[in-house]
Amino acid sequence: QSVLTQPPSASGTPGQRVTISCSGSSSNIGSTYVYWYRQLPGTAPKLLIYRNNQRPSGVPDRFSGSKSGTSASLAISGLRSEDEADYYCATWDDSLSANWVFGGGTKLTVL
Amino acid sequence: EVQLVESGGGLIQPGGSLRLSCAASGFTVSSNYMSWVRQAPGKGLEWVSIIYSGGSTYYADSVKGRFTISRDKSKNTLYLQMNSLRAEDTAIYYCARDLQEVAGLDYWGQGTLVTVSS
Repeated sequence: QSVLTQPPSASGTPGQRVTISCSGSSSNIGSTYVYWYRQLPGTAPKLLIYRNNQRPSGVPDRFSGSKSGTSASLAISGLRSEDEADYYCATWDDSLSANWVFGGGTKLTVL
Repeated sequence: EVQLVESGGGLIQPGGSLRLSCAASGFTVSSNYMSWVRQAPGKGLEWVSIIYSGGSTYYADSVKGRFTISRDKSKNTLYLQMNSLRAEDTAIYYCARDLQEVAGLDYWGQGTLVTVSS
């Protein structure tokens, strides 16, 4: 199982606001930044949020990230059908030799 | 425009070897940290290896001693040499520019599929 815990699925209707959680510990989320990646079906992951809440150029402000203690969240407002994808959180873990650790991923379905 | 293009994947028997390539354009591989990340069929992401701009290399425990990351400055290309392949190495392998805490894995290639099976 993954070092970071995400719900396996989430869903919402167009226009709705959904949040995806990512839970970790003091040796990972609690001590460093969190990153979020979006993977559309059949494509490579794409950076969505970096340093907890920063958006790369081109990512709409419908996407926002936050972190509190050993947990983080990704919020998507104004949900659209094209937001249907897998979402992964990522960070480092001081107790592991892996450079990056990822959550198990959350499949977002737009109903 | 930054672009990463992987190649070299395919079907290989257990115990075999394969070398993946990741050709970069729009930036200099040797001046950046570069990572390999893999994704087994229907599964999540797993970090595999990193090479620092200074040349230091690190590996996930699952591939340590079997995989080797390297780069060719003249070809602006990243490599992953995979030896003693196992069925559990079957995955799509992505290369990514790794900006670490500054901005994460900001650009990814399209991936190349490695299937280890007899």
